[in-house]
Amino acid sequence: GAVVSQHPSWVICKSGTSVKIECRSLDFQATTMFWYRQFPKQSLMLMATSNEGSKATYEQGVEKDKFLINHASLTLSTLTVTSAHPEDSSFYICSAPGGLAREQYFGPGTRLTVT
Amino acid sequence: RKEVEQDPGPFNVPEGATVAFNCTYSNSASQSFFWYRQDCRKEPKLLMSVYSSGNEDGRFTAQLNRASQYISLLIRDSKLSDSATYLCVVNSGGSYIPTFGRGTSLIVHP
Repeated sequence: GAVVSQHPSWVICKSGTSVKIECRSLDFQATTMFWYRQFPKQSLMLMATSNEGSKATYEQGVEKDKFLINHASLTLSTLTVTSAHPEDSSFYICSAPGGLAREQYFGPGTRLTVT
Repeated sequence: RKEVEQDPGPFNVPEGATVAFNCTYSNSASQSFFWYRQDCRKEPKLLMSVYSSGNEDGRFTAQLNRASQYISLLIRDSKLSDSATYLCVVNSGGSYIPTFGRGTSLIVHP
């Protein structure tokens, strides 16, 4: 199956700093990628749709100025958490659709801890 | 009403049991359907796609009923390693945007 990588796999940062997370499709091109957040013992929540060559589409309640998304190429999307706060601590996952049925291939996730 | 609904469980079953999960979706124009498995602190992994004709992969059988807008997953002869959260996912719209159910937790005990 298709492979999606994420970097870093975990990060600890101080309040007020910004953190960039990369999502790469390794063996296929993705004009669309999706970013999710998952808090402990809760379900996956779609944050935004990243579109190559155009602006990201954010889900209701997700601040676009806080979670900056850039789909720089057909294999790379980045999520930058700006001015991070402890409540932003979460598991951030990306996915890219592939295959005939457009199933999602997930990155391994990035665990963010803001102190 | 949530677009994709699942019973969160947990379903607590002994090894060897057969267990079934259901999932309902509200968008009748949804195009494709999947079951994913998510282990604790890991990303979801595709278990199987779901087709109207039904499909089987070893101990796992998935069914789609478009008329009633529900998807099912049947696990036979449960193993301890089947313990995980099972996510129902439905793709809709031109960009095939995935909508996730909240997941059903399965615990298989000895």
